[in-house]
Amino acid sequence: KQEVTQIPAALSVPEGENLVLNCSFTDSAIYNLQWFRQDPGKGLTSLLLIQSSQREQTSGRLNASLDKSSGRSTLYIAASQPGDSATYLCAVSSRSNSGYALNFGKGTSLLVTP
Amino acid sequence: DTAVSQTPKYLVTQMGNDKSIKCEQNLGHDTMYWYKQDSKKFLKIMFSYNNKELIINETVPNRFSPKSPDKAHLNLHINSLELGDSAVYFCASSQDWGRGSPLHFGNGTRLTVT
Repeated sequence: KQEVTQIPAALSVPEGENLVLNCSFTDSAIYNLQWFRQDPGKGLTSLLLIQSSQREQTSGRLNASLDKSSGRSTLYIAASQPGDSATYLCAVSSRSNSGYALNFGKGTSLLVTP
Repeated sequence: DTAVSQTPKYLVTQMGNDKSIKCEQNLGHDTMYWYKQDSKKFLKIMFSYNNKELIINETVPNRFSPKSPDKAHLNLHINSLELGDSAVYFCASSQDWGRGSPLHFGNGTRLTVT
């Protein structure tokens, strides 16, 4: 069964810092990996999706990498801003008994202070 | 226009009652999902429907019954509500049976059972 772990569980940084969020998964036979952002009381917003054949994806100040063989992904946020404060979730799609499943980590709660 | 919309946003009810949560997507997606986020913020899939057909049912009590009248709608009906059903329920959709498609989430329905 696929298990997804995110480290750290919480992170507080001053504005302007570059930071890295980590995600690891136990089964490397994945279809893709997706990073989401969740704001309090809101749904999830998709940030980046990396297919299993890709190594990284970039969107603005965000860069996500994927090392499928070692079961790891990182989300790099450059020049962090207070508006980046949210919970960041990693989700991995892989085969399950039902055919396909998207398994989430428990998230990293990020606080960027002015 | 909201891509994935759920109603109601908040639902407070007593044990033993029956309630429904509605979900609609205007993205033209083929696949819709229900996820449950518990008090520890852990997201877990409950159901997945592809073209109105159930494709995933992950060990959910049969008090929970999804209904998909058409591709754009996936409603969740819950019978005989229990205290442990209190959680935030998220509806999501993807273009196809999601192996390579990003998920789009609604803003969630916070269910409180007293």
